[in-house]
Amino acid sequence: DAKTTQPTSMDCAEGRAANLPCNHSTISGNEYVYWYRQIHSQGPQYIIHGLKNNETNEMASLIITEDRKSSTLILPHATLRDTAVYYCIVRVSGSARQLTFGSGTQLTVLP
Amino acid sequence: NAGVMQNPRHLVRRRGQEARLRCSPMKGHSHVYWYRQLPEEGLKFMVYLQKENIIDESGMPKERFSAEFPKEGPSILRIQQVVRGDSAAYFCASSSPTSRETQYFGPGTRLLVL
Repeated sequence: DAKTTQPTSMDCAEGRAANLPCNHSTISGNEYVYWYRQIHSQGPQYIIHGLKNNETNEMASLIITEDRKSSTLILPHATLRDTAVYYCIVRVSGSARQLTFGSGTQLTVLP
Repeated sequence: NAGVMQNPRHLVRRRGQEARLRCSPMKGHSHVYWYRQLPEEGLKFMVYLQKENIIDESGMPKERFSAEFPKEGPSILRIQQVVRGDSAAYFCASSSPTSRETQYFGPGTRLLVL
């Protein structure tokens, strides 16, 4: 799986959009970009994934650049409950192998 | 559709005792993964199982740890002769045969070894 790089921490004001970047410059054509988050002491939570088109679901939007070397997870209206560590993971389509969690980004939503 | 279930949520053991952690995957999921998170550290993969088979145990400590996923019933992670260094949160995840890339996690079992 391709290596990813994320900022260590970010702050966001409550009610504003949180934009979390991820670099994956060595991504290959059959690798998806996945986002998970872990709220303190809870199990990781799947958020969204995509291949090359932008994706949106009830939790977030995922914007992948045209060259696929980077992506941004967008939480459109951050709440205090979105404070968590966010992990960007790249993995091969159809892979049933383990997830490799890096350090992620600690997002703190401020009141 | 119930999510991944783990029990117990909290487990306290004395050094030398055995710990048994259970994981019931989501309905229709036949792939189970176990991860461990030591205090103040990231999640580390331990083992990947399908029904009655261990597929990848490259993250399992060589001694005292074992895992199974029987044909019937939950997956079990077993730690024999626990030591203080085994204190951690143990998370189970599952995925379906048709969407193997996406794993869904349970709430975890917090093991404390006294």
